[in-house]
Amino acid sequence: DAGITQSPRHKVTETGTPVTLRCHQTENHRYMYWYRQDPGHGLRLIHYSYGVKDTDKGEVSDGYSVSRSKTEDFLLTLESATSSQTSVYFCAISELVKGPSAFFGQGTRLTVV
Amino acid sequence: AQTVTQSQPEMSVQEAETVTLSCTYDTSESDYYLFWYKQPPSRQMILVIRQEAYKQQNATENRFSVNFQKAAKSFSLKISDSQLGDAAMYFCAYSDMKTSYDKVIFGPGTSLSVIP
Repeated sequence: DAGITQSPRHKVTETGTPVTLRCHQTENHRYMYWYRQDPGHGLRLIHYSYGVKDTDKGEVSDGYSVSRSKTEDFLLTLESATSSQTSVYFCAISELVKGPSAFFGQGTRLTVV
Repeated sequence: AQTVTQSQPEMSVQEAETVTLSCTYDTSESDYYLFWYKQPPSRQMILVIRQEAYKQQNATENRFSVNFQKAAKSFSLKISDSQLGDAAMYFCAYSDMKTSYDKVIFGPGTSLSVIP
């Protein structure tokens, strides 16, 4: 398995509170991604990073921010959690050396009550 | 915008039989990649097979093979000799070659059950 660790694996939080999810990789891959998975939608890209301090928005970025201060860490922050952000969040990494082929972490189940 | 459609929300197959999962996509690009990902109950996303659009030959990976019809924009996954461990959600996904990152677009998924 690719060296990707997400933390926490499960979290329950209250509406209006800030939440930070962490993705840590040991593969030294350049690209890192945050997706959310919801029934009927598959996975949708929230934000991605193409290098340290280089990030950009995906298709469902509203309400989320990210930071990447080191190659190995990519943080996803929900500034003020809402019930619509209850989801399973996946981190992924890729290198694009031989074409796209993302490797995924094990996911974080976030429940906003 | 590119889209990926999986018209079968749920499917079932008898153990040891063959099943085909359907996927269609829409794109105006000529060069792109297509993928099938498997998500078992453990939630881990596992890359099953990848197809480059410029390659005419269909990709195969052990019991998994694809039927890639570029003109029809169809990319089905065939699982032969189905095993209980094949029970999972299967996602079809697309990525073109023009973006500078892995912009992967996923379909909604097909839940596959394997009947002993």
